[in-house]
Amino acid sequence: EVQLLESGGGLVQPGGSLRLSCAASGFTFSSYAMSWVRQAPGKGLEWVSGTSDSGGITLYADSVKGRFTISRDNSKNTLYLQMNSLRAEDTAVYYCAKRGGRSAMHFDYWGQGTLVTVSS
Amino acid sequence: EIVLTQSPATLSLSPGERATLSCRASQSVSSYLAWYQQKPGQAPRLLIYDASNRATGIPARFSGSGSGTDFTLTISSLEPEDFAVYYCQQRSNWPPAYTFGQGTKLEIK
Repeated sequence: EVQLLESGGGLVQPGGSLRLSCAASGFTFSSYAMSWVRQAPGKGLEWVSGTSDSGGITLYADSVKGRFTISRDNSKNTLYLQMNSLRAEDTAVYYCAKRGGRSAMHFDYWGQGTLVTVSS
Repeated sequence: EIVLTQSPATLSLSPGERATLSCRASQSVSSYLAWYQQKPGQAPRLLIYDASNRATGIPARFSGSGSGTDFTLTISSLEPEDFAVYYCQQRSNWPPAYTFGQGTKLEIK
């Protein structure tokens, strides 16, 4: 059974940093691209960042480019999101999501999310 | 950047009725469109991928159709557990990114 378990969320002041983790199990983690998707309170879904299966390719939404860094450790089956220079508008539930396959354009599994609150 | 526009924003129907949800892309996405269901406090769940393929474990009452810029999610006969928010999603090659529609809330009438 595929499982994705996010952690690391919490309350942080504007300008602060936070590192999210997503522990994966139930599939060959190193064979799949992964992404982070967020959802602000009461709002829709927003893709934040993605990485290839090897971690060699990383992509970012314009809203977080230069502030967030995605990475992965395939030996630990874990995906990360380092978030710096956080703003109030970064407040959201952050989900990690597994790409459906090498050429897939969708996400077939999602974690339950971790809440990040940016506030003074 | 490809923009996905979903309509209607809210759809009020009764159990047993047929639901038709629309997603329109600002430019062609071929058949690379997915649909997700999200219930309050839960993560999104994949329903349909590549416009018309049901994901594993998704009931046959859910179906997807369309290509190019116009897509439809149909629920043939609504069950009580189907009332939720539905999102469409696509991935563009340039700039490389995923985008979601703003969602359609399916509520009980």
